[in-house]
Amino acid sequence: NAGVMQNPRHLVRRRGQEARLRCSPMKGHSHVYWYRQLPEEGLKFMVYLQKENIIDESGMPKERFSAEFPKEGPSILRIQQVVRGDSAAYFCATSAGTDTQYFGPGTRLTVL
Amino acid sequence: GEDVEQSLFLSVREGDSSVINCTYTDSSSTYLYWYKQEPGAGLQLLTYIFSNMDMKQDQRLTVLLNKKDKHLSLRIADTQTGDSAIYFCADASGSARQLTFGSGTQLTVLP
Repeated sequence: NAGVMQNPRHLVRRRGQEARLRCSPMKGHSHVYWYRQLPEEGLKFMVYLQKENIIDESGMPKERFSAEFPKEGPSILRIQQVVRGDSAAYFCATSAGTDTQYFGPGTRLTVL
Repeated sequence: GEDVEQSLFLSVREGDSSVINCTYTDSSSTYLYWYKQEPGAGLQLLTYIFSNMDMKQDQRLTVLLNKKDKHLSLRIADTQTGDSAIYFCADASGSARQLTFGSGTQLTVLP
């Protein structure tokens, strides 16, 4: 049973480009959470989604960031017009309900 | 808002016990978790405790919860060099049960 998968593991973008981060949940999990870890800091909640619905996006920056979890396929976190301050590790976690979350390996975004 | 705090660093000698402490502010927390993060890796769930429990033991790991003081600790018995990592405590609260993390404790195990 594969765990939570994220790709790419490493992503380099220049300022102004778009970044797309993907998260494939564990089998049987329909709840997806995205977290951001800035250098030398803990993880901060960004958004919580279920299939085709954003449930809680209270941690998402108001501009340039969006997330989706379509009926088919992985959840995607999209960052438009990236800036250097977006450089961080982005983790997704999935669960079968509002219980234990299992984390993916993360995508490390570097903005040049 | 909710806040979770941990000390930043802990060094122990191999074979000793490690105790990592955490305090939280949200009294509605239902589950409290400990995760381990090795360099460049994701978070590995170590253990968790439900808020109506005082203690949970799982092999070398013992979690103690003092709900009155909102204090959580993780004890690692017979600490090994492979235990060197960053340890995060987190609480799950709110309708979405999103996790609020502490800043992490860097555990260094000395030979």
